[in-house]
Amino acid sequence: GEDVEQSLFLSVREGDSSVINCTYTDSSSTYLYWYKQEPGAGLQLLTYIFSNMDMKQDQRLTVLLNKKDKHLSLRIADTQTGDSAIYFCAESRNSGYALNFGKGTSLLVTP
Amino acid sequence: EAGVVQSPRYKIIEKKQPVAFWCNPISGHNTLYWYLQNLGQGPELLIRYENEEAVDDSQLPKDRFSAERLKGVDSTLKIQPAELGDSAVYLCASSPSGLSNTGELFFGEGSRLTVL
Repeated sequence: GEDVEQSLFLSVREGDSSVINCTYTDSSSTYLYWYKQEPGAGLQLLTYIFSNMDMKQDQRLTVLLNKKDKHLSLRIADTQTGDSAIYFCAESRNSGYALNFGKGTSLLVTP
Repeated sequence: EAGVVQSPRYKIIEKKQPVAFWCNPISGHNTLYWYLQNLGQGPELLIRYENEEAVDDSQLPKDRFSAERLKGVDSTLKIQPAELGDSAVYLCASSPSGLSNTGELFFGEGSRLTVL
């Protein structure tokens, strides 16, 4: 996913908020996604945002989209140790028929 | 509802040997994807099927990799011969087809290949 950039590592304390950032390049992406991958498992969709929105909230998750800067962020409120995983930002490509992923941000939540 | 099923979960082979991975998508999902995930990297698309037709295989190294989805359901990804650099996780994903869906992909747990 060379077109999608993410910071590689984030460490937070349990109970704090986590913010994971992503920049993408395909301005025609219809949807942008956050996936979560736990060790030894496949990717699981966390949330997504339609490109005409600038914010989406889903329980502890808040997604912010800045289309002008092609910047996407995921905020996890009250981060728990079970949130420790790798988080991938993804953009739709080829008219929405495949996803292009970033390299992933490894989130470590410490007690 | 059963998710995407892949097998084997783990495979260790010597270089130059062949290997095959199998994927059973979610029932009713017409679109099937094979992704390659190297260690510390995000998934990279190898091939996308719409029913039995490979509609995007531009990233598939065709000298050694092949894939098929003969009846538009299960799919097999083959590597022959395997090289050391092929050690990675091979992820299968599926999605419903049609322009109305959100483009969400449903992933299997992956097949981890180690080439010695």
